[in-house]
Amino acid sequence: ETGVTQSPTHLIKTRGQQVTLRCSSQSGHNTVSWYQQALGQGPQFIFQYYREEENGRGNFPPRFSGLQFPNYSSELNVNALELDDSALYLCASSFRAGVTDTQYFGPGTRLTVL
Amino acid sequence: DAKTTQPTSMDCAEGRAANLPCNHSTISGNEYVYWYRQIHSQGPQYIIHGLKNNETNEMASLIITEDRKSSTLILPHATLRDTAVYYCIVNLQTGANNLFFGTGTRLTVIP
Repeated sequence: ETGVTQSPTHLIKTRGQQVTLRCSSQSGHNTVSWYQQALGQGPQFIFQYYREEENGRGNFPPRFSGLQFPNYSSELNVNALELDDSALYLCASSFRAGVTDTQYFGPGTRLTVL
Repeated sequence: DAKTTQPTSMDCAEGRAANLPCNHSTISGNEYVYWYRQIHSQGPQYIIHGLKNNETNEMASLIITEDRKSSTLILPHATLRDTAVYYCIVNLQTGANNLFFGTGTRLTVIP
């Protein structure tokens, strides 16, 4: 069974640019959640996708957007990058079955905005 | 909004049991207690979760008080690899989306 994978591992962008981060969910999982973790802080929820639809969103501006594909993999897109977007971006997958919905995290993508 | 309170940091001697407390006095009847840990710069690792009863798995034990207002995560024989930030989270299990991590407890296992 393959765990959650994310790409790329590290990324450097400049202010104003756009970035796309990718996540492959764990085998059998249909739900993907994205989190942002600034240095020294706990992860903060960005949004969740369930069966290709957004299913909840945290306090992040619209320039943070996402997609989920039929194979349940997902992308996080951030437009007009700001310096404060520098963070570890985490993806978590889970299987929504009405009973068990534990989220399992990938290793993260470290984004640096200069 | 934080629903849990944890000590900022704790030390534990290698080989001894590490007991990490968590207060969640406003927990509702259908919310579970989850524990994750995060080793430096890695993704959070799921440890254990429970509703009312005590739970045990290969990693840890979770003791939940009868009134469910607090819980303790127990690592029975701490090793240096258990040094990490431990997060206690209360969450609806079904239909839940976001996990609120808070600041967690930084556990340092000392040789």
